[in-house]
Amino acid sequence: NAGVTQTPKFQVLKTGQSMTLQCAQDMNHEYMSWYRQDPGMGLRLIHYSVGAGITDQGEVPNGYNVSRSTTEDFPLRLLSAAPSQTSVYFCASSYSRPPRETQYFGPGTRLLVL
Amino acid sequence: GQQVMQIPQYQHVQEGEDFTTYCNSSTTLSNIQWYKQRPGGHPVFLIQLVKSGEVKKQKRLTFQFGEAKKNSSLHITATQTTDVGTYFCAGPDTGANNLFFGTGTRLTVIP
Repeated sequence: NAGVTQTPKFQVLKTGQSMTLQCAQDMNHEYMSWYRQDPGMGLRLIHYSVGAGITDQGEVPNGYNVSRSTTEDFPLRLLSAAPSQTSVYFCASSYSRPPRETQYFGPGTRLLVL
Repeated sequence: GQQVMQIPQYQHVQEGEDFTTYCNSSTTLSNIQWYKQRPGGHPVFLIQLVKSGEVKKQKRLTFQFGEAKKNSSLHITATQTTDVGTYFCAGPDTGANNLFFGTGTRLTVIP
C-alpha cells in the first residue's frame, strides 16, 4: 500500500512551457485534491474531484487543468507555466468528501518556473 | 471561502519549554482538524475535533475546541527537537465541501 504518490519530485520549467504533475493513490479513495503551498500562505486548494469523471475548481484554479478518468489517478496540468506558479504542489486524497475525512497527502512536487 | 486565521506565524522555543498555537474563525465550525508538516515533508493528519469544548490529548500534545466552535488551540508540553515543523489547522470552507487550511505556525526548537 503506497498511499499517495506524486511525480516528479522536482521540476524546473521555462515560462510558457507546459507539463503534467502526476498523482496516484491506491487506497480506493473517492475524493482527491491538489494544493499549492507558498511561504506564509498555507495550503491553497487548486482543484478537486469527488469521483471519477467529476472535477471542480478550488480557491486558485487559474492556469491549471485537471481530469479524473480513473479513481486512482488525478493529474494536474500546467498549460503555460508562469513564474507565479513556482510553488510546492501537494496532492491529497480521502475516503469521501471533506471536511470530516482525514486527508492523506503525497510527498509533493517542487516546481520552479524561470 | 472560509477564513481560518492562525497565530503566531513563527515560534522559537528552547527545548523543554511549552508551545501553543491558536486557530480562529469568524464563523462557527462544524469540526476542525490539525496537521503537522516536518521541514521538507508533507502534511500529516494529527487529530480532528468535533464537539464544543472538546479536549483531546496525544502524549505531550493537547488539542482544544472552543465552546463556541470558533477557535481551537494546540499546546505542546516540554517541547522536543522532534516537535519541529509547521502546524496547520483546517476547517470546512463556506460550502462545507472542502478543507480550508490556516496559514500555519512554524515551530523551531532550540536544543
